[in-house]
Amino acid sequence: AAGVIQSPRHLIKEKRETATLKCYPIPRHDTVYWYQQGPGQDPQFLISFYEKMQSDKGSIPDRFSAQQFSDYHSELNMSSLELGDSALYFCASSLLDSMNTEAFFGQGTRLTVV
Amino acid sequence: AQSVSQHNHHVILSEAASLELGCNYSYGGTVNLFWYVQYPGQHLQLLLKYFSGDPLVKGIKGFEAEFIKSKFSFNLRKPSVQWSDTAEYFCAVIPWMDSSYKLIFGSGTRLLVRP
Repeated sequence: AAGVIQSPRHLIKEKRETATLKCYPIPRHDTVYWYQQGPGQDPQFLISFYEKMQSDKGSIPDRFSAQQFSDYHSELNMSSLELGDSALYFCASSLLDSMNTEAFFGQGTRLTVV
Repeated sequence: AQSVSQHNHHVILSEAASLELGCNYSYGGTVNLFWYVQYPGQHLQLLLKYFSGDPLVKGIKGFEAEFIKSKFSFNLRKPSVQWSDTAEYFCAVIPWMDSSYKLIFGSGTRLLVRP
């Protein structure tokens, strides 16, 4: 079965550079979530989209932005990167047809800022 | 503040020992509950979930969890752990307070199983 695809798997950037992370949800899923997991930390919710509209916002810095496109894939854009942005970024998708649903996670993008 | 609490940050067991990882949440109303496992260097994988019905939920790899509403708890159990269970375990909650869908994670429990 198709899963959530994230690209790239690994990314190394220098401080003050820009990064774009991509997420391709499971086909027919209408909701995408982004999470940030720092070293030794639990995943922190960043932002979510439902039907291409932002549905919820968590602890996402102003330097970050995200959107969901017409084909339901999502991109997380990160500018003015800081060393503290080094983390594993997870994307998850779900189908919000009822309350009984779950999120499926991608394998993550490991971002290292040097 | 509303949260998800995992009381054991690190657990070390020998193979065949029994496991119980605690999870408590502080959200009122309807909640969906999950346990995810993250093997070293890998992504989060769903172990089991509770939405409604029987509060004793059975998941993959011999794991089970019990939802006790009065205690706001959803503890994970396994009767006999294996070395391959070494991983980090995250409890997660979806609180259906305002119709938004946000999966809130606990801080995780690192399990080390010694051969």
